[in-house]
Amino acid sequence: DGGITQSPKYLFRKEGQNVTLSCEQNLNHDAMYWYRQDPGQGLRLIYYSQIVNDFQKGDIAEGYSVSREKKESFPLTVTSAQKNPTAFYLCASSIAAGAASGNTIYFGEGSWLTVV
Amino acid sequence: QKEVEQNSGPLSVPEGAIASLNCTYSDRGSQSFFWYRQYSGKSPELIMSIYSNGDKEDGRFTAQLNKASQYVSLLIRDSQPSDSATYLCAVRDSNYQLIWGAGTKLIIKP
Repeated sequence: DGGITQSPKYLFRKEGQNVTLSCEQNLNHDAMYWYRQDPGQGLRLIYYSQIVNDFQKGDIAEGYSVSREKKESFPLTVTSAQKNPTAFYLCASSIAAGAASGNTIYFGEGSWLTVV
Repeated sequence: QKEVEQNSGPLSVPEGAIASLNCTYSDRGSQSFFWYRQYSGKSPELIMSIYSNGDKEDGRFTAQLNKASQYVSLLIRDSQPSDSATYLCAVRDSNYQLIWGAGTKLIIKP
């Protein structure tokens, strides 16, 4: 089945630890995104990538890092510099970024990160 | 700062009635408009997209776009308890960036 797979679904992080969230898509989409959602809030863009080996910061990139070595994969690392990382993390993809119309974003199932 | 505004709710609607969800946006040059449904603890799923003024119908859902007034709405006819969720409005602005509203929580009462 085509889709976006995020893992793990639940992750616990200790203070000072880096953790990596995996995101893989088999939709042949060029663009991939990471969003953060806090309870009762909307989506905030962390990073996005329009093409392999290229990515741009979103609105809340501080304390996060990404890589895009393969078209299918866009992992997100939550570093120890992110002081309040407890949230729901959503990976998404679209055919391309920046088209004038269409270009719908589709989401993975999300990953819950909790600091313990 | 480009914005997308939604009433946070909750909006309570009796089962079988029409639910009306509204969204306003600040960028007059916005290109595309999307409604997503998000159940508690789950990821958003696309309900409808709309690109030109007027109405677009898909089953029990109708999206309405008025670019002159800068609002987009979603109507849900014959509301069912399974429609209870948070509905997110997203707008692709003139720079092709996707701007998200904070969502409206909809409760359908049996």
